[in-house]
Amino acid sequence: NAGVMQNPRHLVRRRGQEARLRCSPVKGHSHVYWYRQLPEEGLKFMVYLQKENIIDESGMPKERFSAEFPKEGPSILRIQQVVRGDSAAYFCASSRRGRTEAFFGQGTRLTVV
Amino acid sequence: AQKITQTQPGMFVQEKEAVTLDCTYDTSDQSYGLFWYKQPSSGEMIFLIYQGSYDEQNATEGRYSLNFQKARKSANLVISASQLGDSAMYFCAPNTGGFKTIFGAGTRLFVKA
Repeated sequence: NAGVMQNPRHLVRRRGQEARLRCSPVKGHSHVYWYRQLPEEGLKFMVYLQKENIIDESGMPKERFSAEFPKEGPSILRIQQVVRGDSAAYFCASSRRGRTEAFFGQGTRLTVV
Repeated sequence: AQKITQTQPGMFVQEKEAVTLDCTYDTSDQSYGLFWYKQPSSGEMIFLIYQGSYDEQNATEGRYSLNFQKARKSANLVISASQLGDSAMYFCAPNTGGFKTIFGAGTRLFVKA
C-alpha cells in the first residue's frame, strides 16, 4: 500500500482556482484509477488510465475535470474552477493490470473555501 | 448500472468474537473479482482479500475469510477473533463490467473492549 504516493495530502483552494492532484503508482504498475469519496460515503469511480491512454472515464464529470497519465511522471487529476461541491477525498490506486487488486494511496483531501 | 448492497451501515462486535459483514452485488458478468477493503479513521484504503468468481474455494487471508455464494451474488466478509484495531469502515468492491472496481457504501465496524 505504501507504494502509491499521492500529493499533496491536503489541499485548500478558493472557489474558481485550479486543483492539481498527483499520483505516483507502485513501481511497475501501469494501471491507475482515480476515485472520489464524499464524507460518510463509499468511493466513486472517476477514471481509469493506462500510460498515455484514458481507458474509461465514465465517472468523470463532463466539465472542469481532466486526468492524464503520461509516459513519464505521475498521473495528474486536474480540477479547474473548483466549487465547494468538489470538496472531497480523492484516492488514486494502481495495479499491475486490470482485474487484480488495486493498491491505494493515502488520498488527497481537497477543501474548497 | 451495477449495484452493490452493504445492508449494515454500522455493526458492533465484542473483542475476540467473530463478525460477518454482508455484501450483495448485481452483475451479469460470468467472470469477475470481488475485493474487500478496510478504511480506518486515518483515511487510507487497505486491501484485505480477493475472491475470483471461478474460484471454487472461499478465499482466506489470516483472520479474514469470504463466504462466497455465487448463485446468490453474495460475498460476505468474516473477521474472526476481532481486535480493537479492526474498528474501521469496510467496503465491498466487485470488479465487474470491465476493469474498474465499484465500491459499496460501506459498513462501519465498532469493536468493543
